[in-house]
Amino acid sequence: EPEVTQTPSHQVTQMGQEVILRCVPISNHLYFYWYRQILGQKVEFLVSFYNNEISEKSEIFDDQFSVERPDGSNFTLKIRSTKLEDSAMYFCASTWDRVADQPQHFGDGTRLSIL
Amino acid sequence: KQEVTQIPAALSVPEGENLVLNCSFTDSAIYNLQWFRQDPGKGLTSLLLIQSSQREQTSGRLNASLDKSSGRSTLYIAASQPGDSATYLCAVPDDKIIFGKGTRLHILP
Repeated sequence: EPEVTQTPSHQVTQMGQEVILRCVPISNHLYFYWYRQILGQKVEFLVSFYNNEISEKSEIFDDQFSVERPDGSNFTLKIRSTKLEDSAMYFCASTWDRVADQPQHFGDGTRLSIL
Repeated sequence: KQEVTQIPAALSVPEGENLVLNCSFTDSAIYNLQWFRQDPGKGLTSLLLIQSSQREQTSGRLNASLDKSSGRSTLYIAASQPGDSATYLCAVPDDKIIFGKGTRLHILP
């Protein structure tokens, strides 16, 4: 069964540095998402992406964050000038139709540790 | 604004017991509801998806029910095993997915 893949599985970065988290969604999917889970807390929506543009973003997704689909397969989340509180698990998800109608498929996540 | 609550936050039961995990949501106008499993430090594994027109879905020892009018869903696990130990998340779509905080389940051997 096709799956969403995320790399790296664990990223350790110094505070203030930029980090790029990578995701390869399922190939025929059209809608892409990033979620975040701070240790011990809920999984939170960050951003959704469709047709090469952001369709919705949460209040967490400020100017520090950006997303990109640089080619036909990758979907990236860039975090500029990382802060300690950016430490979390970041999950990528994809679906071929709107989330209301179809399940989202999640990757295994990238654990981001900011030192 | 949709909110999802899960009770209990944590549960420990002896192996072999049947158990029920509860999920409630504030806005009953949902299209579907999804149950996920999350092992410590790992990703999200989809267990069951119930469409709004359905009352329940079954997969092996798992059975999820949905009562839209009351804003509730339950996940029933039959004959629990130590391998069922994980956090179980309930989630509903609202353009994006809204997650509950989860129930941390520990099955005692």
